[in-house]
Amino acid sequence: DTGVSQDPRHKITKRGQNVTFRCDPISEHNRLYWYRQTLGQGPEFLTYFQNEAQLEKSRLLSDRFSAERPKGSFSTLEIQRTEQGDSAMYLCASQDGTSSYNEQFFGPGTRLTVL
Amino acid sequence: LAKTTQPISMDSYEGQEVNITCSHNNIATNDYITWYQQFPSQGPRFIIQGYKTKVTNEVASLFIPADRKSSTLSLPRVSLSDTAVYYCLVGDRNDKIIFGKGTRLHILP
Repeated sequence: DTGVSQDPRHKITKRGQNVTFRCDPISEHNRLYWYRQTLGQGPEFLTYFQNEAQLEKSRLLSDRFSAERPKGSFSTLEIQRTEQGDSAMYLCASQDGTSSYNEQFFGPGTRLTVL
Repeated sequence: LAKTTQPISMDSYEGQEVNITCSHNNIATNDYITWYQQFPSQGPRFIIQGYKTKVTNEVASLFIPADRKSSTLSLPRVSLSDTAVYYCLVGDRNDKIIFGKGTRLHILP
């Protein structure tokens, strides 16, 4: 257990539905990252926050995706009008931006299946 | 961000030492080399990080030659539970990390 939790762990939805995932980082970590991972591939960067500010978004993050981190604590990732291509594991990671290492602590992920 | 190249897969036997080499010819002055381990259905886990020469912790050693264009992750006396995907990452400590496909290590009994 890394101290990063994600909810739900699994989500099955029908194409066209909206889904929302939650990530609770390690409390003192100011940075939070979202990644997407498909079978056989490494995690792909989606976006990251420093405190409540969203500092970078990947081109992978289409306008159907939105992420928030209100008050610099937990974060949510919402996917609107899901497509079958959105099926993947969605990983969240937190990081102490003041640390001398850039170690990221990953949560267990949310596995999304779009039917 | 410097691109990395590592073997797609490796097999080894329990009790052996495993060395996974990663090449990163375009590494920048500010870049560090970091390795992560990922088990199926889990998020990646930090193993080790270094800048030059040798770094050792309770899990692994990281060897970095003087030109820093490659690095080698060394896992001593592996067990079946070391079967996982190992990612070599190169980047500035304050930058996002970019994962490649990693090396699938399979430990045989």
